[in-house]
Amino acid sequence: GAGVSQSPSNKVTEKGKDVELRCDPISGHTALYWYRQSLGQGLEFLIYFQGNSAPDKSGLPSDRFSAERTGGSVSTLTIQRTQQEDSAVYLCASSLASSGLYGYTFGSGTRLTVV
Amino acid sequence: KNEVEQSPQNLTAQEGEFITINCSYSVGISALHWLQQHPGGGIVSLFMLSSGKKKHGRLIATINIQEKHSSLHITASHPRDSAVYICAVHFGNEKLTFGTGTRLTIIP
Repeated sequence: GAGVSQSPSNKVTEKGKDVELRCDPISGHTALYWYRQSLGQGLEFLIYFQGNSAPDKSGLPSDRFSAERTGGSVSTLTIQRTQQEDSAVYLCASSLASSGLYGYTFGSGTRLTVV
Repeated sequence: KNEVEQSPQNLTAQEGEFITINCSYSVGISALHWLQQHPGGGIVSLFMLSSGKKKHGRLIATINIQEKHSSLHITASHPRDSAVYICAVHFGNEKLTFGTGTRLTIIP
């Protein structure tokens, strides 16, 4: 597609439920990133995928968070047993390659609200 | 510690004014990005630079590697420029470290 597509755009879930957030990057972009923006706070890195390499998971806040990227394209971020502190906007970005050599294209984000 | 600091945190100016937003970082970087986030909107990448200066329309971004400092300038500011501007850097790895953002409001 023309841009990075994320779905759903909004998700309200009950505490303790699992949620899945989807990111469809720009075709041909080998690098894919997940970031999170909590209310009133800055952006924080979650996880990074580059081609077939093992993902950099160093930003995931707990083992309730996981992500996968199938076929080097679509990525799914899964949050198990959601907590209220998980409420945030989850942003996906993709890039032609890694190492900051190319600009990023961000998706419009998924706003997650845990009630 | 790898840190990114932006100033000011908030900036209000009259339409037409020249705007400068500053970003400083603690150690050497491989690249720096300036991002724009409109209220309720997604993030748009404005510039990526590792040296020198880039210009796009009324926006200009500069970086001084020796001083570990970058500036984003907006000439002839307009109310539609009102947004949060975020500086983000690569500290030699793949992930971005973000500044806390500068909230810019341009008054007609």
